[in-house]
Amino acid sequence: AQSVTQPDIHITVSEGASLELRCNYSYGATPYLFWYVQSPGQGLQLLLKYFSGDTLVQGIKGFEAEFKRSQSSFNLRKPSVHWSDAAEYFCAVGAWQAGTALIFGKGTTLSVSS
Amino acid sequence: SQTIHQWPATLVQPVGSPLSLECTVEGTSNPNLYWYRQAAGRGLQLLFYSVGIGQISSEVPQNLSASRPQDRQFILSSKKLLLSDSGFYLCAWRMGDRGTEAFFGQGTRLTVV
Repeated sequence: AQSVTQPDIHITVSEGASLELRCNYSYGATPYLFWYVQSPGQGLQLLLKYFSGDTLVQGIKGFEAEFKRSQSSFNLRKPSVHWSDAAEYFCAVGAWQAGTALIFGKGTTLSVSS
Repeated sequence: SQTIHQWPATLVQPVGSPLSLECTVEGTSNPNLYWYRQAAGRGLQLLFYSVGIGQISSEVPQNLSASRPQDRQFILSSKKLLLSDSGFYLCAWRMGDRGTEAFFGQGTRLTVV
Protein backbone atom coordinates (compact mmCIF):
# COMPACT_ATOMS: atom_id res chain seq x y z
CA ALA A 1 0.00 0.00 0.00
CA GLN A 2 1.16 3.52 -0.71
CA SER A 3 1.63 5.63 2.38
CA VAL A 4 3.61 8.37 4.02
CA THR A 5 4.50 8.33 7.69
CA GLN A 6 5.54 11.34 9.69
CA PRO A 7 6.36 9.84 13.10
CA ASP A 8 6.40 13.12 15.01
CA ILE A 9 3.06 14.81 15.51
CA HIS A 10 4.49 17.81 17.33
CA ILE A 11 8.04 19.09 17.74
CA THR A 12 9.29 22.07 19.73
CA VAL A 13 12.65 23.58 18.86
CA SER A 14 14.45 26.55 20.34
CA GLU A 15 15.03 29.47 18.04
CA GLY A 16 18.45 29.15 16.46
CA ALA A 17 18.62 25.40 17.01
CA SER A 18 18.73 22.88 14.21
CA LEU A 19 15.66 21.02 12.99
CA GLU A 20 15.00 17.64 11.45
CA LEU A 21 11.52 16.43 10.54
CA ARG A 22 11.20 12.80 9.66
CA CYS A 23 9.35 11.27 6.73
CA ASN A 24 9.14 7.64 5.64
CA TYR A 25 7.25 6.43 2.62
CA SER A 26 5.97 3.26 1.06
CA TYR A 27 5.46 3.49 -2.68
CA GLY A 28 5.35 0.93 -5.44
CA ALA A 29 6.82 3.03 -8.23
CA THR A 30 9.75 5.42 -8.36
CA PRO A 31 8.75 8.03 -5.83
CA TYR A 32 8.66 11.74 -6.37
CA LEU A 33 8.90 13.39 -2.98
CA PHE A 34 7.78 16.73 -1.64
CA TRP A 35 7.71 18.80 1.51
CA TYR A 36 5.01 21.41 2.03
CA VAL A 37 4.47 23.98 4.77
CA GLN A 38 1.12 25.28 5.98
CA SER A 39 0.45 28.31 8.14
CA PRO A 40 -2.80 28.31 10.13
CA GLY A 41 -5.86 28.74 7.93
CA GLN A 42 -3.81 28.83 4.76
CA GLY A 43 -3.13 26.58 1.81
CA LEU A 44 0.01 24.54 1.38
CA GLN A 45 3.23 26.02 0.06
CA LEU A 46 5.88 23.87 -1.58
CA LEU A 47 9.21 23.92 0.26
CA LEU A 48 11.16 21.54 -1.93
CA LYS A 49 10.88 18.53 -4.19
CA TYR A 50 12.93 15.55 -5.25
CA PHE A 51 12.52 13.93 -8.64
CA SER A 52 15.94 12.47 -9.42
CA GLY A 53 19.65 13.22 -9.30
CA ASP A 54 21.41 14.61 -6.26
CA THR A 55 19.78 13.12 -3.19
CA LEU A 56 20.27 16.31 -1.17
CA VAL A 57 17.85 18.96 -2.36
CA GLN A 58 17.66 22.58 -1.40
CA GLY A 59 14.43 24.44 -0.97
CA ILE A 60 13.08 27.80 0.00
CA LYS A 61 13.49 29.45 3.37
CA GLY A 62 16.80 27.67 4.04
CA PHE A 63 15.33 24.16 4.15
CA GLU A 64 16.92 21.07 2.69
CA ALA A 65 15.96 17.41 2.50
CA GLU A 66 17.86 14.21 1.85
CA PHE A 67 16.44 11.26 -0.05
CA LYS A 68 17.65 7.88 1.24
CA ARG A 69 16.29 5.11 -0.92
CA SER A 70 17.63 2.33 1.31
CA GLN A 71 15.71 3.75 4.27
CA SER A 72 12.67 4.94 2.30
CA SER A 73 13.12 8.30 3.95
CA PHE A 74 13.03 11.92 2.96
CA ASN A 75 13.84 13.95 6.07
CA LEU A 76 13.60 17.72 6.15
CA ARG A 77 16.33 19.77 7.82
CA LYS A 78 17.17 23.33 8.67
CA PRO A 79 20.43 24.40 10.38
CA SER A 80 18.95 27.28 12.36
CA VAL A 81 15.25 27.68 13.03
CA HIS A 82 13.56 31.06 13.09
CA TRP A 83 10.37 31.88 14.99
CA SER A 84 8.60 32.37 11.65
CA ASP A 85 9.18 28.69 10.83
CA ALA A 86 6.46 27.70 13.28
CA ALA A 87 3.85 25.96 11.12
CA GLU A 88 2.64 22.54 10.06
CA TYR A 89 4.82 20.53 7.71
CA PHE A 90 3.64 17.84 5.35
CA CYS A 91 5.62 15.24 3.48
CA ALA A 92 4.09 13.87 0.27
CA VAL A 93 4.88 11.24 -2.34
CA GLY A 94 3.64 10.96 -5.89
CA ALA A 95 4.28 9.40 -9.27
CA TRP A 96 5.43 10.85 -12.55
CA GLN A 97 2.32 9.77 -14.35
CA ALA A 98 -0.31 12.39 -14.97
CA GLY A 99 -3.66 11.71 -13.40
CA THR A 100 -2.25 10.51 -10.11
CA ALA A 101 -2.55 12.31 -6.81
CA LEU A 102 -0.03 13.12 -4.15
CA ILE A 103 -0.29 11.09 -0.97
CA PHE A 104 0.32 13.08 2.18
CA GLY A 105 1.51 12.27 5.65
CA LYS A 106 -0.49 13.45 8.64
CA GLY A 107 1.82 16.36 9.24
CA THR A 108 4.19 17.57 11.93
CA THR A 109 3.45 20.73 13.86
CA LEU A 110 6.54 22.74 14.61
CA SER A 111 6.62 25.12 17.55
CA VAL A 112 9.57 27.45 18.07
CA SER A 113 10.47 28.59 21.56
CA SER A 114 12.48 31.70 22.34
CA SER B 1 2.09 32.46 -14.40
CA GLN B 2 -0.45 30.04 -13.05
CA THR B 3 -2.81 30.88 -10.23
CA ILE B 4 -5.50 28.99 -8.39
CA HIS B 5 -8.55 30.57 -6.84
CA GLN B 6 -10.78 28.94 -4.31
CA TRP B 7 -13.89 30.38 -2.70
CA PRO B 8 -15.43 31.11 -0.37
CA ALA B 9 -12.72 31.31 2.27
CA THR B 10 -15.11 30.51 5.10
CA LEU B 11 -18.60 29.11 5.16
CA VAL B 12 -21.07 28.29 7.91
CA GLN B 13 -23.96 26.13 6.79
CA PRO B 14 -26.81 24.39 8.63
CA VAL B 15 -27.17 20.64 8.61
CA GLY B 16 -29.18 19.50 5.62
CA SER B 17 -28.35 22.50 3.45
CA PRO B 18 -26.62 22.21 0.06
CA LEU B 19 -22.99 23.02 -0.60
CA SER B 20 -21.06 24.37 -3.53
CA LEU B 21 -17.35 25.17 -3.36
CA GLU B 22 -15.63 26.42 -6.46
CA CYS B 23 -12.05 26.28 -7.65
CA THR B 24 -10.59 27.76 -10.81
CA VAL B 25 -7.11 27.67 -12.26
CA GLU B 26 -5.63 30.29 -14.54
CA GLY B 27 -2.59 30.26 -16.78
CA THR B 28 -2.54 26.59 -17.72
CA SER B 29 -4.61 24.18 -19.76
CA ASN B 30 -5.80 20.65 -19.09
CA PRO B 31 -4.64 20.56 -15.48
CA ASN B 32 -5.24 17.64 -13.18
CA LEU B 33 -7.51 18.93 -10.41
CA TYR B 34 -7.94 17.67 -6.85
CA TRP B 35 -10.15 18.19 -3.82
CA TYR B 36 -8.65 17.35 -0.44
CA ARG B 37 -10.17 17.60 3.02
CA GLN B 38 -8.06 18.32 6.04
CA ALA B 39 -9.13 17.39 9.54
CA ALA B 40 -7.04 18.10 12.60
CA GLY B 41 -4.40 15.44 13.13
CA ARG B 42 -5.43 13.48 10.06
CA GLY B 43 -3.46 15.12 7.31
CA LEU B 44 -4.91 15.60 3.85
CA GLN B 45 -7.52 13.16 2.66
CA LEU B 46 -7.98 12.99 -1.10
CA LEU B 47 -11.67 13.26 -1.96
CA PHE B 48 -11.83 13.60 -5.74
CA TYR B 49 -9.57 14.13 -8.69
CA SER B 50 -10.13 14.92 -12.34
CA VAL B 51 -7.94 14.53 -15.41
CA GLY B 52 -10.36 16.25 -17.80
CA ILE B 53 -13.76 17.82 -18.34
CA GLY B 54 -16.48 15.57 -16.99
CA GLN B 55 -13.98 13.00 -15.69
CA ILE B 56 -14.20 12.55 -11.93
CA SER B 57 -12.58 9.91 -9.77
CA SER B 58 -13.84 9.47 -6.25
CA GLU B 59 -11.43 8.25 -3.61
CA VAL B 60 -13.74 8.14 -0.63
CA PRO B 61 -17.48 7.34 -0.83
CA GLN B 62 -19.34 9.96 1.16
CA ASN B 63 -21.87 12.70 1.16
CA LEU B 64 -19.99 14.82 -1.37
CA SER B 65 -19.70 14.95 -5.15
CA ALA B 66 -17.50 16.80 -7.60
CA SER B 67 -17.92 18.13 -11.09
CA ARG B 68 -15.69 19.64 -13.75
CA PRO B 69 -17.87 21.59 -16.14
CA GLN B 70 -14.97 23.44 -17.74
CA ASP B 71 -11.30 22.68 -18.25
CA ARG B 72 -10.10 24.86 -15.38
CA GLN B 73 -13.09 24.73 -13.06
CA PHE B 74 -13.64 22.17 -10.32
CA ILE B 75 -16.69 22.20 -8.06
CA LEU B 76 -17.30 20.34 -4.82
CA SER B 77 -20.97 19.85 -3.92
CA SER B 78 -23.34 18.28 -1.51
CA LYS B 79 -27.12 18.03 -1.58
CA LYS B 80 -27.47 17.77 2.20
CA LEU B 81 -24.63 18.59 4.54
CA LEU B 82 -23.86 16.53 7.61
CA LEU B 83 -22.08 17.67 10.75
CA SER B 84 -19.22 15.38 9.79
CA ASP B 85 -18.67 17.39 6.60
CA SER B 86 -17.10 20.19 8.60
CA GLY B 87 -13.44 20.71 7.82
CA PHE B 88 -10.90 22.57 5.77
CA TYR B 89 -11.23 21.90 2.05
CA LEU B 90 -8.34 22.42 -0.30
CA CYS B 91 -8.31 22.50 -4.07
CA ALA B 92 -5.09 21.72 -5.92
CA TRP B 93 -3.81 21.30 -9.46
CA ARG B 94 -0.90 19.56 -11.16
CA MET B 95 0.38 19.67 -14.71
CA GLY B 96 -1.82 17.59 -16.97
CA ASP B 97 0.91 16.01 -19.06
CA ARG B 98 3.23 14.96 -16.25
CA GLY B 99 3.08 14.52 -12.53
CA THR B 100 4.94 17.38 -10.91
CA GLU B 101 4.22 19.11 -7.64
CA ALA B 102 0.71 20.13 -6.67
CA PHE B 103 -0.25 23.76 -6.25
CA PHE B 104 -2.86 24.56 -3.65
CA GLY B 105 -5.56 27.13 -3.21
CA GLN B 106 -6.01 28.98 0.05
CA GLY B 107 -8.68 26.64 1.30
CA THR B 108 -12.27 26.87 2.51
CA ARG B 109 -13.14 26.48 6.18
CA LEU B 110 -16.56 24.81 6.28
CA THR B 111 -18.48 24.63 9.52
CA VAL B 112 -21.73 22.72 9.52
CA VAL B 113 -23.98 23.70 12.43
